[in-house]
Amino acid sequence: AQSVAQPEDQVNVAEGNPLTVKCTYSVSGNPYLFWYVQYPNRGLQFLLKYITGDNLVKGSYGFEAEFNKSQTSFHLKKPSALVSDSALYFCAVRDIRGDFGNEKLTFGTGTRLTIIP
Amino acid sequence: DAGVIQSPRHEVTEMGQEVTLRCKPISGHDYLFWYRQTMMRGLELLIYFNNNVPIDDSGMPEDRFSAKMPNASFSTLKIQPSEPRDSAVYFCASTSGRTSYEQYFGPGTRLTVT
Repeated sequence: AQSVAQPEDQVNVAEGNPLTVKCTYSVSGNPYLFWYVQYPNRGLQFLLKYITGDNLVKGSYGFEAEFNKSQTSFHLKKPSALVSDSALYFCAVRDIRGDFGNEKLTFGTGTRLTIIP
Repeated sequence: DAGVIQSPRHEVTEMGQEVTLRCKPISGHDYLFWYRQTMMRGLELLIYFNNNVPIDDSGMPEDRFSAKMPNASFSTLKIQPSEPRDSAVYFCASTSGRTSYEQYFGPGTRLTVT
């Protein structure tokens, strides 16, 4: 079974400060990891993914995330927050166990990020 | 590409009525997913298709829900009869599977059952 935990329902950050949105995961095999962002009244929008290779992945809008296998974490980060980053952020995992066809993503419960001007 | 297209964007119906939600995936994508989002339950996977064939429908709440994908460019999610607890935002997403991995979401259909 695969699962994702986002321990913080809400994160508040002052504009210009660095931000971190936390995510931990559990899978049987190796993970594919994703971050999505959802703006009000919109669908989820893909931000970045870790499939293999470099543990630090860079994505849209200046976001990046670091894959840490020993801590089973995939935290989302940005060096300097913008007010426009305020949104709902979802972490998701897919378990790659070698059984092709398992395309299910398991999403976390979401973290609401508010950037304070 | 136009992205994933969903219709209608908003649907208000009375309890007991049939509701049909529609989705057009991104051209070339061979996987299609239906999700439901509510404040209480978050984002739930209802069903997904591969090459128009349902692969996993374990998330479908009950027999009142059904989904079809008659061809590669169209899918429907039907609720019959609808109940107030079905009120939610329903999302469709698609991906090209092993060549892309990430899912692309449509704008959603906000369903309100009164």
